[in-house]
Amino acid sequence: DGGITQSPKYLFRKEGQNVTLSCEQNLNHDAMYWYRQDPGQGLRLIYYSQIVNDFQKGDIAEGYSVSREKKESFPLTVTSAQKNPTAFYLCATRRSTSGRETQYFGPGTRLLVL
Amino acid sequence: QKEVEQNSGPLSVPEGAIASLNCTYSDRVSQSFFWYRQYSGKSPELIMSIYSNGDKEDGRFTAQLNKASQYVSLLIRDSQPSDSATYLCAVTGAGSYQLTFGKGTKLSVIP
Repeated sequence: DGGITQSPKYLFRKEGQNVTLSCEQNLNHDAMYWYRQDPGQGLRLIYYSQIVNDFQKGDIAEGYSVSREKKESFPLTVTSAQKNPTAFYLCATRRSTSGRETQYFGPGTRLLVL
Repeated sequence: QKEVEQNSGPLSVPEGAIASLNCTYSDRVSQSFFWYRQYSGKSPELIMSIYSNGDKEDGRFTAQLNKASQYVSLLIRDSQPSDSATYLCAVTGAGSYQLTFGKGTKLSVIP
């Protein structure tokens, strides 16, 4: 079974706590992305990685950190500096075919603050 | 600041009708255009991509692109209740793989 997996499906964060969201893919795609979606809003880019050991900040990187040690994995840490973390977090990979670039999404992780 | 605008809806159409979803974008050099469908509580699913002016058809879906007017649309023929979802328009700029998303249009197909 191929694709993008995200875990956990639901995550609860306590005040001042760092939490890590997992994203794994077996599609052999080089590029991976993290987005945040708030109710009634479009997706906003947090971080992206074009290649292993390299990543770039997106539009709303403050309060988040990432790593890309393996091609298959791109975990996102929501730090205590992120004051409003409640949202739906989506991981995506990008497929390149004949010069066309297409992004596909994992099932998402819903983060709630206790 | 690149912007992608969609009417938030809800757009209600009767079953069997044509649903027309519209999207405008601000970056004149945008290159690639996508429509994603998102069911409530689920992640977005790619349903159409379009790269050049004109129409592209895939089953009941037709994407239309007019770069001069900076306008892209999605037509859904013979709408079904299962088409009820939020439809997200997304755009990439020239030389960039970054997607800019609209806020989505909520479609409701009434049986």
